Amino acid sequence: AQSVSQHNHHVILSEAASLELGCNYSYGGTVNLFWYVQYPGQHLQLLLKYFSGDPLVKGIKGFEAEFIKSKFSFNLRKPSVQWSDTAEYFCAVMGDSGGGADGLTFGKGTHLIIQP
Amino acid sequence: DGGITQSPKYLFRKEGQNVTLSCEQNLNHDAMYWYRQDPGQGLRLIYYSQIVNDFQKGDIAEGYSVSREKKESFPLTVTSAQKNPTAFYLCASSPLDGNYGYTFGSGTRLTVV
Repeated sequence: AQSVSQHNHHVILSEAASLELGCNYSYGGTVNLFWYVQYPGQHLQLLLKYFSGDPLVKGIKGFEAEFIKSKFSFNLRKPSVQWSDTAEYFCAVMGDSGGGADGLTFGKGTHLIIQP
Repeated sequence: DGGITQSPKYLFRKEGQNVTLSCEQNLNHDAMYWYRQDPGQGLRLIYYSQIVNDFQKGDIAEGYSVSREKKESFPLTVTSAQKNPTAFYLCASSPLDGNYGYTFGSGTRLTVV
């Protein structure tokens, strides 16, 4: 079975600060990794995804994430956050067993608050 | 615009009543999913379906039931057997391989009183 652990449940930063949200997963094989964001009152949106190739992936709104296989990690980063980045962020993993449509496993989420 | 429609947005029911949440997609996706979101718990998979007339239990299927009579529709019934039904329910869909991520609906907040 696969599982995902997000290190921080709540993070508070000031505008222009740098952001790094931790995500570790456990799975015995090849994985596909995702970060989703849920802005207040809105539906979940895909920020970025990794399933092969360059381990540094870039997503929307200036976010990026680095897949470090040896550490089973997929941390989300942004060099300079904005007030509009206030949201809930979810890391998710899908084991690449060939039948991918059997459910993403999500972490418990990190609630990010950016103070003006 | 292609997307997923969940209705209603808010739903109130009395304890002991079954309630059905609607989920419709026009993305021509083969796979559909139901997740439950609780504060501090993240999203947990209830049921999923990869093809019409077939579905699989997820991690927390007890007290729930689904049907997939049409490719576009995947309704979820919260039965009276579900001990803690008050939650935010999210429906999602994806192509069959799932590798491109899921498209989520805007959710239904169910409150049981």
